[in-house]
Amino acid sequence: GAGVSQSPSNKVTEKGKDVELRCDPISGHTALYWYRQSLGQGLEFLIYFQGNSAPDKSGLPSDRFSAERTGGSVSTLTIQRTQQEDSAVYLCASSLAVSSYEQYFGPGTRLTVT
Amino acid sequence: AQKITQTQPGMFVQEKEAVTLDCTYDTSDPSYGLFWYKQPSSGEMIFLIYQGSYDQQNATEGRYSLNFQKARKSANLVISASQLGDSAMYFCAMREPSTGANSKLTFGKGITLSVRP
Repeated sequence: GAGVSQSPSNKVTEKGKDVELRCDPISGHTALYWYRQSLGQGLEFLIYFQGNSAPDKSGLPSDRFSAERTGGSVSTLTIQRTQQEDSAVYLCASSLAVSSYEQYFGPGTRLTVT
Repeated sequence: AQKITQTQPGMFVQEKEAVTLDCTYDTSDPSYGLFWYKQPSSGEMIFLIYQGSYDQQNATEGRYSLNFQKARKSANLVISASQLGDSAMYFCAMREPSTGANSKLTFGKGITLSVRP
């Protein structure tokens, strides 16, 4: 079956522009997560969604970052007024339920802010 | 204090040998989960193995085993019979359910493993 998909795979944008990153989780997975991986670093948690519950936004680094999940499936991470320090790989993951221990990761979107 | 510590800067192992990748963690939560993920140069994160804090036995998955020493707060990954395809970054991660974010993972900085033919 299909895994987690993300688009675009690469995005180059100018400083100050807004960007939208998309994540399609595995069908039937109720939990969805966004992480960020800066060059040579581990993953940093950003936000997660579980069903219809309010998302946990505790990892979002600033109010320029927001995310939504429509219909309990596809999620969009939006970064407004991008800064060079936003350059990173943005990874999306999904799991069957909050209590499920395995998170399945997508291939990521590499964002470069020039 | 760092939640997950991976201090080995880079590891080399001869093909077919075993290798241990170190991970220590810090939590006051009695219930937690420990994970190892592999990230090849292609970038995808591949789940390898999971250990729950209440599990009585060390987790094993094929050539991967987790040396879980709860009192020392360490969760080292052991890869037996290394293969060239094992060359990758390896991340240790932890989930602490009581922090309010039931499923978020906290990752270490990773270890680069290179397998020599």
